[in-house]
Amino acid sequence: AQRVTQPEKLLSVFKGAPVELKCNYSYSGSPELFWYVQYSRQRLQLLLRHISRESIKGFTADLNKGETSFHLKKPFAQEEDSAMYYCALSALSGGYQKVTFGTGTKLQVIP
Amino acid sequence: EAQVTQNPRYLITVTGKKLTVTCSQNMNHEYMSWYRQDPGLGLRQIYYSMNVEVTDKGDVPEGYKVSRKEKRNFPLILESPSPNQTSLYFCASSPRQLQYNEQFFGPGTRLTVL
Repeated sequence: AQRVTQPEKLLSVFKGAPVELKCNYSYSGSPELFWYVQYSRQRLQLLLRHISRESIKGFTADLNKGETSFHLKKPFAQEEDSAMYYCALSALSGGYQKVTFGTGTKLQVIP
Repeated sequence: EAQVTQNPRYLITVTGKKLTVTCSQNMNHEYMSWYRQDPGLGLRQIYYSMNVEVTDKGDVPEGYKVSRKEKRNFPLILESPSPNQTSLYFCASSPRQLQYNEQFFGPGTRLTVL
């Protein structure tokens, strides 16, 4: 069974400080991993995906297969980064592509 | 505009009164899914559909039904709602190759069952 763990429910950082949102997963094969963001009163939207290896809004995430992690990082937090962040894993399960989300981490950037 | 729409956006109902939440996408996506979002539990998948007439249970399907008679629509049906189904519901869609593609989410439906 696939599982995604986000150990922190809330992460508070000061503006300009580095940010690391943790995501660990369990899956025996090769998963595809995503980070989604939900700003206040808005729908979820994709922030970045591991396969594209891009940086979006200053955020990056590296897939570490040895540690089964996909942590989201940003060197300098901005107030507009305050939001709910979800890590998601997409993988084959029972012949179908299944997506599992973590429980989310609320990022609060303090001015 | 490419989007996923849900209706209604807000609904207050009473226990046992059947209801349907509609979901529609105009992107010709094959994959559609329903999630519920609860504090501390994140998003949990209720049902998903790989294509027309192909649906399967997610992690929390009890008390829900779905149908996929047309590619664009994926309604969520609560035959006999109960208070524990009070939640924020999201519909999402994705192109055929879900593994490498993002999901596009609807705006959410906030359901309260009294």
